[in-house]
Amino acid sequence: DGGITQSPKYLFRKEGQNVTLSCEQNLNHDAMYWYRQDPGQGLRLIYYSQIVNDFQKGDIAEGYSVSREKKESFPLTVTSAQKNPTAFYLCASSIYSTGADIQYFGAGTRLSVL
Amino acid sequence: LAKTTQPISMDSYEGQEVNITCSHNNIATNDYITWYQQFPSQGPRFIIQGYKTKVTNEVASLFIPADRKSSTLSLPRVSLSDTAVYYCLGVYGSSNTGKLIFGQGTTLQVKP
Repeated sequence: DGGITQSPKYLFRKEGQNVTLSCEQNLNHDAMYWYRQDPGQGLRLIYYSQIVNDFQKGDIAEGYSVSREKKESFPLTVTSAQKNPTAFYLCASSIYSTGADIQYFGAGTRLSVL
Repeated sequence: LAKTTQPISMDSYEGQEVNITCSHNNIATNDYITWYQQFPSQGPRFIIQGYKTKVTNEVASLFIPADRKSSTLSLPRVSLSDTAVYYCLGVYGSSNTGKLIFGQGTTLQVKP
């Protein structure tokens, strides 16, 4: 059953703590993306990766970091530098990174601050 | 990337056809119009994409007039399960980043 798996579904972060959100895909897609969604708002791009071992900053990369060591995995770390991390985080993938490619999304991780 | 404008919310009743219009006055030659659907606490799901004229799939139809400055997503005979947020996006076909810009979308409420 192909798709994108995000874990955990819910995550809590303490002050000064780094947390890592997992994203795995078995669609054999080259491109992967991380978005942030705040209540009542659209999605904003954090980072994207067009190919293994390469990634680019999106519109709101400050306070976040990523890695792309394997084609199927694109974990996102929310660092302590991100002062307002409470949001719904969505991972997506597409076959390539051309504009018209359909993006497939995971079910999301909801991050809250304790 | 084309800037899109769509209504914030719409109401409908079960069994009706729903048309959601999206305005994109600055659409460029290489831009496609793409619609995604999002249910609460889930990731968006691709619905349909078009360049001009009419595109139809098993879920919806997309009408894009010749000037391409607007488009209309048509959902036939909606049910309660079609209650969701619908996003209209202008995507640059020649982009090599795959970047999508999501606005607030249109919240569709289907009533019994």
